[in-house]
Amino acid sequence: GQQVMQIPQYQHVQEGEDFTTYCNSSTTLSNIQWYKQRPGGHPVFLIQLVKSGEVKKQKRLTFQFGEAKKNSSLHITATQTTDVGTYFCAGKYGGTSYGKLTFGQGTILTVHP
Amino acid sequence: GAGVSQSPRYKVTKRGQDVALRCDPISGHVSLYWYRQALGQGPEFLTYFNYEAQQDKSGLPNDRFSAERPEGSISTLTIQRTEQRDSAMYRCASSSTASNQPQHFGDGTRLSIL
Repeated sequence: GQQVMQIPQYQHVQEGEDFTTYCNSSTTLSNIQWYKQRPGGHPVFLIQLVKSGEVKKQKRLTFQFGEAKKNSSLHITATQTTDVGTYFCAGKYGGTSYGKLTFGQGTILTVHP
Repeated sequence: GAGVSQSPRYKVTKRGQDVALRCDPISGHVSLYWYRQALGQGPEFLTYFNYEAQQDKSGLPNDRFSAERPEGSISTLTIQRTEQRDSAMYRCASSSTASNQPQHFGDGTRLSIL
């Protein structure tokens, strides 16, 4: 079936270090969204990537969508304690006009001050 | 309200009981989704509504699970004859249209089956 794999499952960094999480699908995605979930909170939308090879930046966050639209990454430069949380990618496959998302397992980011 | 509201926040019930989980989406949002999120996992799609029409229920695990959105606003997810394996966080999300839009999640209902 359609599945989105996300690695790593956990990442511990010192404040100021960089962080990257990766998502991969065995089949082509229509688009991919990224969400952040703080401890005890709910997923909050960060960004959507639609085009092959697309790169988007939000301050210290850089999002990429692969050329084949099968993989994506989120890179955070110079992490801060406010970056703590679980980052999820969520892929949409073709065939539906609505946002039926397949979420990855998430990467739990811990930032040590 | 300003965001997606779900109730109750916590529900503890005995195995075999029926439960009803409520979702009040952001006002005016056409699309409504139900997800189930196990601890340490990402949300898993259950069902989708476009206005009052249930257009996709492919993620519902079995026929004990049902959902409705009779007036195109508030939705209820019902689980009949609950089992321990139904224990999870149940989340509702809404978006403004049916197409590729950000989904706004509620705080969820934590369901525990004893």
